[in-house]
Order: sequence, then structure tokens, then C-alpha cells
Amino acid sequence: GQNIDQPTEMTATEGAIVQINCTYQTSGFNGLFWYQQHAGEAPTFLSYNVLDGLEEKGRFSSFLSRSKGYSYLLLKELQMKDSASYLCAVRDSNYQLIWGAGTKLIIKP
Amino acid sequence: ETGVTQTPRHLVMGMTNKKSLKCEQHLGHNAMYWYKQSAKKPLELMFVYNFKEQTENNSVPSRFSPECPNSSHLFLHLHTLQPEDSALYLCASSQEPTSGGRDTQYFGPGTRLTVL
Repeated sequence: GQNIDQPTEMTATEGAIVQINCTYQTSGFNGLFWYQQHAGEAPTFLSYNVLDGLEEKGRFSSFLSRSKGYSYLLLKELQMKDSASYLCAVRDSNYQLIWGAGTKLIIKP
Repeated sequence: ETGVTQTPRHLVMGMTNKKSLKCEQHLGHNAMYWYKQSAKKPLELMFVYNFKEQTENNSVPSRFSPECPNSSHLFLHLHTLQPEDSALYLCASSQEPTSGGRDTQYFGPGTRLTVL
């Protein structure tokens, strides 16, 4: 079966750096997405990786290793507004999006 | 910025009621989706419409009935629901799902549904 694993919850301190991991086992691979979802709000698109390596977007970076079935989202200079759930999703060979259950990130002052 | 709107935002209904959820996208996309989001579970894809044609129905019970009159509007008709159907129902849209891996889905804020 297809599976996406990410930690259920993480805690970090304001101003620090946090890495949220995502491992996947899917039927084929056509890219990996990260979304941010604040409580009670819509998931919003953060990043897309299809090639190995690191993609940087301001304070957020996303890394992909296709051979290891692994990605991470790196958040730097954490701010209180970064408290949210972070969803990992993989597009499989049928172009279906397979979703992880999300990682709830709690930022403490 | 939200190019996808959903109404109502909250809905409480009894098991014998009939109600409808509405979604509208202002992004000029060709595909629309219904998802169910339950606490601590992955998003569950329910239905996909591509160019107004239903292309996915992931074994969803018949008490959920989708309708897509055009590429901008999507409805989810609900009847005789069960308490376990209580969840956040999210609508999303994308340009075209088979156009390539990068096709990105944009979500509405969801309808929080409670079935009593």
C-alpha cells in the first residue's frame, strides 16, 4: 500500500530552527508537496520538489531524496505565526496525491 | 488571499436532514475536489471533477452526492448522514490534474460539519 509518515507533533522555540521530516512509500513518484494549515483554515501551498536537493524560499526550505523516499521541511527564525500543521503529500504514478496525516508544530516563546 | 470560497463555514445537522455544501473557485482552474479531513488523519479524497466530468469517486457512501454544474462551482449534497461523518470538508481546485506533477491544488477554508 501507499504510505506517508510524518511526526504527529513537534515543539520548537521562537527564533530557532526546526526540521519536519516526511518519508514515503508510493506507487511511483511525480513530486512532493508541503502545505501549511493553520487551525480552522485552508491548507496553503508552501513548496514542490521533484528533483533531489534543497529548494529555498525565504525562511522555509524543502529537501528531497528520491532514492531514500525522504523529504524535510526546514523552518528558520521561527515566529509564533508558524504554529500550524504541516502536511506532506506525494503525487504517485497515477497523478493522485497521497497525503500524510500532518505534523502539528507548536512554537513556544 | 483565497481564490476558493466555501459556504457555509459551519454546519450542524441531524441525521435525517438534507443540506448542501457549496464551493466556488475564482482561479480559472479546470479541476475541483472534495476532501474529508478528520482529526489526526490524512486528507481523504472523496470526489474529483475535471472539466465538469467526475473522474474519481473513492468508494464514498451514497449519502454524499456531488454536483459540478460548471468548472467554477462544486456542490456536495448531504442526506441521512451519520455522526462519524462529522469532519472538516475541504474543497480544492487545480489547473488540470494530469498536466504534470507540479499541478498544485488550492484549498478553500472548509466547512466544519457536525452530525448529531
